[in-house]
Amino acid sequence: AQSVSQHNHHVILSEAASLELGCNYSYGGTVNLFWYVQYPGQHLQLLLKYFSGDPLVKGIKGFEAEFIKSKFSFNLRKPSVQWSDTAEYFCAVNSGGYQKVTFGTGTKLQVIP
Amino acid sequence: EAGVVQSPRYKIIEKKQPVAFWCNPISGHNTLYWYRQNLGQGPELLIRYENEEAVDDSQLPKDRFSAERLKGVDSTLKIQPAELGDSAVYLCASSQGTGTDTQYFGPGTRLTVL
Repeated sequence: AQSVSQHNHHVILSEAASLELGCNYSYGGTVNLFWYVQYPGQHLQLLLKYFSGDPLVKGIKGFEAEFIKSKFSFNLRKPSVQWSDTAEYFCAVNSGGYQKVTFGTGTKLQVIP
Repeated sequence: EAGVVQSPRYKIIEKKQPVAFWCNPISGHNTLYWYRQNLGQGPELLIRYENEEAVDDSQLPKDRFSAERLKGVDSTLKIQPAELGDSAVYLCASSQGTGTDTQYFGPGTRLTVL
């Protein structure tokens, strides 16, 4: 069965600091990978996704993620965070041919002005 | 474009009582999902519909949970009777096609069972 691990449960950064949130998945075959974000009081929304092609994926608001197949990872990065990036971030995986999307437990990011 | 609509937003009930949640997906989205999100966890799929057919309900506790999606549009999730452990946020999401398509989430219903 597919699974997703997010090792950082709570991250606190100052504005302008660089961000990297870890995400590892368990499935060894073809995967589709997602990062979703939930801002305070708002719905879960898609930040970026990887299906195939260039392993470096760019999303909204300056976020990017890199798919490293050999490490089963899909880490989320942003070079300089803003206070408005304070939110909870969820990594998710959908393995090839398996329609179910499995979510990680989430990472709460707090950006201090 | 209107997003996924859910109601109610909050519900407080006593254990053993029934409760129902309603979801209206984005127009034209054939696939509808119900998730449960416990505190400190990610969403966990309960059931997935493609049009009016439940194609994945393997995680739905069928002894007390039921769901329907009549006419392939709106959907209702019911719990009867509710237990203390059912306290969670129940999320509805929809997508145009299969599970690889972007899912659009509603605001969720926060259920508290006393």
